[in-house]
Amino acid sequence: QLQLQESGPGLVKPSETLSLTCTVSGDSISSSRNYWGWIRQPPGKGLEWIGSFYYSGSTYYNPSLKSRVTKSVDTSKNQFSLKLSSVTAADTAIYYCVESSSSRFGCWGQGTLVTVSS
Amino acid sequence: QSVLTQPPSVSGAPGQRVTISCTGSSSNIGAGYDVHWYQQLPGTAPKLLISGNSNRPSGVPDRFSGSKSGTSASLAISGLQAEDEADYYCQSYDSSLSAYVFGTGTKVTVL
Repeated sequence: QLQLQESGPGLVKPSETLSLTCTVSGDSISSSRNYWGWIRQPPGKGLEWIGSFYYSGSTYYNPSLKSRVTKSVDTSKNQFSLKLSSVTAADTAIYYCVESSSSRFGCWGQGTLVTVSS
Repeated sequence: QSVLTQPPSVSGAPGQRVTISCTGSSSNIGAGYDVHWYQQLPGTAPKLLISGNSNRPSGVPDRFSGSKSGTSASLAISGLQAEDEADYYCQSYDSSLSAYVFGTGTKVTVL
C-alpha cells in the first residue's frame, strides 16, 4: 500500500531556503503512472497546491510560487524533494507530499510543520 | 484568496443530513473540471473523500455523496455521526490561474 513520509528541518530562518524530502514506499516514482507533488497548509488555514510532477514528463508549479520552487528526484532512494527559496514568515505551514492522478490527490503524507523564524 | 467558496461552518444533530456547497466560476468548475472533496480530521492530513465529482474511493461510507452542477458542487453527509466532525475541502483546477485550487474549507460540527 502506498505511503509517503516527509522529512526535513522544522525551523528555517527568513531569506533562507526550505528543503524537504518525501520518501515513497509501496510504489516506484520512476515507473509509476502517477504524479507526485507538494501541498501546504498554514496553521489554522486552508490548503495551497505548490506543484506536481510526472517522473518522465512535465513539472507544474503554482504560478504564485513558481519563481521560488525547485523539485528534484532521487530514484535510488525512491524520494523526491522540494526546495523553496527566500522564505518569509508567510511560508510557515504544514507541508504535505502527495500522490495524484486524474487531478485528485489520492494519498497524502502525514505532513511536517516548517516554521520560518529567526 | 481561494477561488472556490465554501460556507465556514455547518452543523447538524446526529442522524441528520447536511450539505456543503462549493461555488466556483467559469474558469474552474464551470469549465468542466472535476471537483474532489477531502475530509481533514483534527490534527491529521486530509483524506480523499469524493473524487471525480461523485465517486467514493474504496472504504468511504455511502453516507457521503457528491454532485456538481454549473459552476458549483456539493457534498452531502447523511446520517451524520460524531466521527464526521472535521474540516471539509473541495478542490478543482482553474484554467485562469493554471493551478489546482482548494475551497476555503468548511467545519462540520455534530451537535
